[in-house]
Amino acid sequence: DTGVSQDPRHKITKRGQNVTFRCDPISEHNRLYWYRQTLGQGPEFLTYFQNEAQLEKSRLLSDRFSAERPKGSFSTLEIQRTEQGDSAMYLCASSLETGLGYTFGSGTRLTVV
Amino acid sequence: TQLLEQSPQFLSIQEGENLTVYCNSSSVFSSLQWYRQEPGEGPVLLVTVVTGGEVKKLKRLTFQFGDARKDSSLHITAAQPGDTGLYLCAGALDSNSGYALNFGKGTSLLVTP
Repeated sequence: DTGVSQDPRHKITKRGQNVTFRCDPISEHNRLYWYRQTLGQGPEFLTYFQNEAQLEKSRLLSDRFSAERPKGSFSTLEIQRTEQGDSAMYLCASSLETGLGYTFGSGTRLTVV
Repeated sequence: TQLLEQSPQFLSIQEGENLTVYCNSSSVFSSLQWYRQEPGEGPVLLVTVVTGGEVKKLKRLTFQFGDARKDSSLHITAAQPGDTGLYLCAGALDSNSGYALNFGKGTSLLVTP
């Protein structure tokens, strides 16, 4: 296993466009998390899945943000009608159910122009 | 709301010096993790501490979890230029929150030769 993979690494989009990011977790990990990190800040928790169930989504930043994990394996994070304030690094992490073994991906850097 | 206060925010020292980074909160954490992050990359886990009063050593790095599980420190002995990076502390509250991590803002460390 090569760890947590995120795709793309970089995305530049025009304001108002929709974007989708993909995360492939470590295969043995049944928990998958999404975080957002802006410049000069630590990562900010957005949502998490246990297998295919999304157990926490109240921290998603707005109703323009949504995430899926349809078969309990990879996950996608979609941002609709992007705004310049959405520019950030979007990080995915996976862990065991105990919360240990947290591993982050390299992130997707989004720039909204 | 920032649950974890990390200090100092910036630190510039000479090679060979010692340093300590602090992470404080009024919340009790089930575990606390320390990460190191390079520019444009995701955080890389250094250590997880789970027991109050626990001390872990990783070569020249010493991590301590407070007795009440509300605070932690990272001490680096004889810093080297390769230690340069962003150090992040992150606490997991409990299983009810899915062990989502609450991050501090980070300490940006620069070690000059």
